[in-house]
Amino acid sequence: KAGVTQTPRYLIKTRGQQVTLSCSPISGHRSVSWYQQTPGQGLQFLFEYFSETQRNKGNFPGRFSGRQFSNSRSEMNVSTLELGDSALYLCASSGSGRAFGDTQYFGPGTRLTVL
Amino acid sequence: GESVGLHLPTLSVQEGDNSIINCAYSNSASDYFIWYKQESGKGPQFIIDIRSNMDKRQGQRVTVLLNKTVKHLSLQIAATQPGDSAVYFCAEIQGAQKLVFGQGTRLTINP
Repeated sequence: KAGVTQTPRYLIKTRGQQVTLSCSPISGHRSVSWYQQTPGQGLQFLFEYFSETQRNKGNFPGRFSGRQFSNSRSEMNVSTLELGDSALYLCASSGSGRAFGDTQYFGPGTRLTVL
Repeated sequence: GESVGLHLPTLSVQEGDNSIINCAYSNSASDYFIWYKQESGKGPQFIIDIRSNMDKRQGQRVTVLLNKTVKHLSLQIAATQPGDSAVYFCAEIQGAQKLVFGQGTRLTINP
């Protein structure tokens, strides 16, 4: 069974631009969650989608948004990029009704650099 | 506010020894805790979890201890191997909705 895939793996943008990241969950998984990882703030939860609906949300500004499609693939969008948005963005999918736990698997992440 | 923190940012142990990684949490409403392992260039990997109605849970070579009185969580790794080298994160989940990670501890294994 293929794992969680994220595209692109690396991305360079400039301040003020917007970016869309994509995540394909493990086949059959309906929960997809997104995380930001930076050296300063560590790992932070962005949001979680289940059956095309945002179910949980972390403490990030409205510039960060996401959506989930009927095939469970998810996209994350960041508008008006700031230097501080440079980070590794991780996606995880879960095969149970729970977003977190032993059925959750992470992808390798997308490294976003904002110049 | 809520926070999950780790007592030590780095931990170095001899191969074959036991490792203990600690974590403090501040929100007494947290009801579920997870330990993750993150190797270089990879996403986090689930290791073990524990619910707030338990104080100990064992897996293969790993044990998690939860002390709700002092809001402390620990991960014990028995007979540490070179493949255990990674950054370890604890995370607390509140009401199955809010996930908060600790900063992480880098575990280094000396031969």
